Amino acid sequence: GAVVSQHPSWVICKSGTSVKIECRSLDFQATTMFWYRQFPKQSLMLMATSNEGSKATYEQGVEKDKFLINHASLTLSTLTVTSAHPEDSSFYICSARPRGLAGTYNEQFFGPGTRLTVL
Amino acid sequence: RKEVEQDPGPFNVPEGATVAFNCTYSNSASQSFFWYRQDCRKEPKLLMSVYSSGNEDGRFTAQLNRASQYISLLIRDSKLSDSATYLCVANGIGGADGLTFGKGTHLIIQP
Repeated sequence: GAVVSQHPSWVICKSGTSVKIECRSLDFQATTMFWYRQFPKQSLMLMATSNEGSKATYEQGVEKDKFLINHASLTLSTLTVTSAHPEDSSFYICSARPRGLAGTYNEQFFGPGTRLTVL
Repeated sequence: RKEVEQDPGPFNVPEGATVAFNCTYSNSASQSFFWYRQDCRKEPKLLMSVYSSGNEDGRFTAQLNRASQYISLLIRDSKLSDSATYLCVANGIGGADGLTFGKGTHLIIQP
């Protein structure tokens, strides 16, 4: 159980194009999903928190107009990198927190990640 | 600013050895702590949660020291398959926040 999928696994695109990444919880509902980014030899950095049916909450320094997040259902969140540039090349990973999981020890389940390369 | 600090290593240890590493966290309000394992170019996978009283899962033992704000992970009888990057992770109150990751400690088990 608690499987999260991401598509695509990897994408190579030209500078200036937009790329959409999907994150799906396959066997559970998630009111909250998180988007992270990891540059080589760096830690995962939280970009934004995606809440079903409401606007995403972005971390400081993350441009909300550049990284569009839509959480249209309890099993799907999408991240669109608009007008991508080479510096946006990174490993993008989503995670999902099962709905109704209460308590302190709240675990998040990660998708396999999407490796974006912008030429 | 919420931060989790880890020694990046790499730690090179022989197979069968016992190895331990720590991390420190700066946010005293953090409530949940985890160790994740990340293999090269893969997503992180939960290794174990860290409980206040300390907990053990097979060859892995995790400890939490709230007073000093550090977390430890001990691996006994290390296997070649334990080679990976181990990420120390903290979370805020109620779990509404995303996770704060350390940069990871790179462990290499040598035959």
